[in-house]
Amino acid sequence: KQEVTQIPAALSVPEGENLVLNCSFTDSAIYNLQWFRQDPGKGLTSLLLIQSSQREQTSGRLNASLDKSSGRSTLYIAASQPGDSATYLCAVIQGGSEKLVFGKGTKLTVNP
Amino acid sequence: DAGVIQSPRHEVTEMGQEVTLRCKPISGHNSLFWYRQTMMRGLELLIYFNNNVPIDDSGMPEDRFSAKMPNASFSTLKIQPSEPRDSAVYFCASSSTGGREKLFFGSGTQLSVL
Repeated sequence: KQEVTQIPAALSVPEGENLVLNCSFTDSAIYNLQWFRQDPGKGLTSLLLIQSSQREQTSGRLNASLDKSSGRSTLYIAASQPGDSATYLCAVIQGGSEKLVFGKGTKLTVNP
Repeated sequence: DAGVIQSPRHEVTEMGQEVTLRCKPISGHNSLFWYRQTMMRGLELLIYFNNNVPIDDSGMPEDRFSAKMPNASFSTLKIQPSEPRDSAVYFCASSSTGGREKLFFGSGTQLSVL
């Protein structure tokens, strides 16, 4: 059974800092991996999707990498801003499945 | 596009009552997912539909839960009878190609069963 783990559960940084969020998964036979952002009281917004054949994806100040063989992904946020404060979740889809398995997320606080 | 629309945003009910949650997916999307989010268990997939047909309901916790998708633009999740342990945020999400591309989530229904 696929399990997705995100460490740390919470992170607080000063504005302007570059930071890395971590995601690990137990079964490397994934189809793709997605990073989502969730604001309090809101739904999830998809940030980046990495196919299993890709190593990374970039969108603005966000860069996500994938090392499928080691079961790891990272989300790099450059020059963090208070508006980046949210919970970030990663999720994977197994090959042959359409079911996303989510981690419990990392709650990020960027202090002005 | 208005995105995925869920109603109600908040529902407070008493144990034993029937609860119906509603979802309108993004027009043109042919896959719809129902998720439940709690602090303890995180996000769990309850059921998903492709082209209005239920594909996998293995995440539905028990027979008290049922879901329907009578047409491409509407789905319901029903709990009857409701219990306090059902209290959670219920999300609906849709995508255009199963769950293998970006998933678009609604804002969720916060359910409290007293």
